[in-house]
Amino acid sequence: KQEVTQIPAALSVPEGENLVLNCSFTDSAIYNLQWFRQDPGKGLTSLLLIQSSQREQTSGRLNASLDKSSGRSTLYIAASQPGDSATYLCAPGESKLTFGTGTRLQVTL
Amino acid sequence: EAGVAQSPRYKIIEKRQSVAFWCNPISGHATLYWYQQILGQGPKLLIQFQNNGVVDDSQLPKDRFSAERLKGVDSTLKIQPAKLEDSAVYLCASSFGGGSTEAFFGQGTRLTVV
Repeated sequence: KQEVTQIPAALSVPEGENLVLNCSFTDSAIYNLQWFRQDPGKGLTSLLLIQSSQREQTSGRLNASLDKSSGRSTLYIAASQPGDSATYLCAPGESKLTFGTGTRLQVTL
Repeated sequence: EAGVAQSPRYKIIEKRQSVAFWCNPISGHATLYWYQQILGQGPKLLIQFQNNGVVDDSQLPKDRFSAERLKGVDSTLKIQPAKLEDSAVYLCASSFGGGSTEAFFGQGTRLTVV
């Protein structure tokens, strides 16, 4: 059974800082890994999808890496902005997505 | 491209009542998921369909929850009778199919059982 851990559970940073969110998972037999963003009271927005054959994926200020063998992924956010405040969820995917409890990020002015 | 549509957005019911949620996936997506997200937790898979067949319903409380996907498109999730602990956001997601494709989520239905 896949188990996902995200560290830290919560993070508060001043605007402009670069930050790293960590995700670890127990079963490395995955097809891909997705990072999502969730705003309060809303659904999940897909940020990045990394295929199992890839090492990283980039979109704008976001960069996600994947090390399947060690069961780890990181999401790097460059030059954080208040609009980045949300909960970030990683989900390794086999035939389904399994979620951790997420990292709640607050970017302050 | 239209996203995953869910309705209603919010529902308040009394315990022991029944409730149904509807989901319309992205056109052409063969795989449909229903997730339950309790406040402060990550989403938990309730059921996964591939076209109109069930792939995984191992975490669906089958004594009170049921789901169907007619004609491999729209899906409904029903709870009967509801319990207080069913209060959660119910999220529907879809993907093109196969394990390597990206999943897209709807806005969810927030259920409050009082």
